[in-house]
Amino acid sequence: GENVEQHPSTLSVQEGDSAVIKCTYSDSASNYFPWYKQELGKGPQLIIDIRSNVGEKKDQRIAVTLNKTAKHFSLHITETQPEDSAVYFCAASIIGGGGADGLTFGKGTHLIIQP
Amino acid sequence: EAQVTQNPRYLITVTGKKLTVTCSQNMNHEYMSWYRQDPGLGLRQIYYSMNVEVTDKGDVPEGYKVSRKEKRNFPLILESPSPNQTSLYFCASRPGGSGGYTFGSGTRLTVV
Repeated sequence: GENVEQHPSTLSVQEGDSAVIKCTYSDSASNYFPWYKQELGKGPQLIIDIRSNVGEKKDQRIAVTLNKTAKHFSLHITETQPEDSAVYFCAASIIGGGGADGLTFGKGTHLIIQP
Repeated sequence: EAQVTQNPRYLITVTGKKLTVTCSQNMNHEYMSWYRQDPGLGLRQIYYSMNVEVTDKGDVPEGYKVSRKEKRNFPLILESPSPNQTSLYFCASRPGGSGGYTFGSGTRLTVV
């Protein structure tokens, strides 16, 4: 089955700086890669996603890049703000393949924004 | 408001006492799924459903049951809970053709 590795487990950056979180996946059939943000006491919230036919996607301060050949994808947050402090999860899945449904998650990155 | 609603939010129970965690979504989503979240292990899928009366096992299904009699509801049943099922549980749903799951707020279960 799919295996997703996520690094680093903790990331501390100064407010205003950029943060980058990296993930690798094992199953070359995976074609959908979402990123979730989880704040304390809440469920994961989808913040951005990318499909395998796209190399990069941006939404304001957040961007995701995908390298299918190397099987890795990354989350980039620019101009970080205190409200960006949370745990971030990457995930991978196969959409439309007719097989099992669901996301395989990385173990999460605790992002800390230092004032 | 479009959402996934789980109940209860917190539950403390004793070993062996059957319990049900309810999950309901108001977005007419075809797919629904249950995950458990444990420190150091992340989120792992328990069961999923592709539509009414269609369910299948995820990565950690042992000790759990589910049913999907209506499109909006996907309850998680623990017939004989054990302490190793102490965890934070999330229900999620997504529409067909899109990969983005919407998660509920979670149910923190403690089995003593």
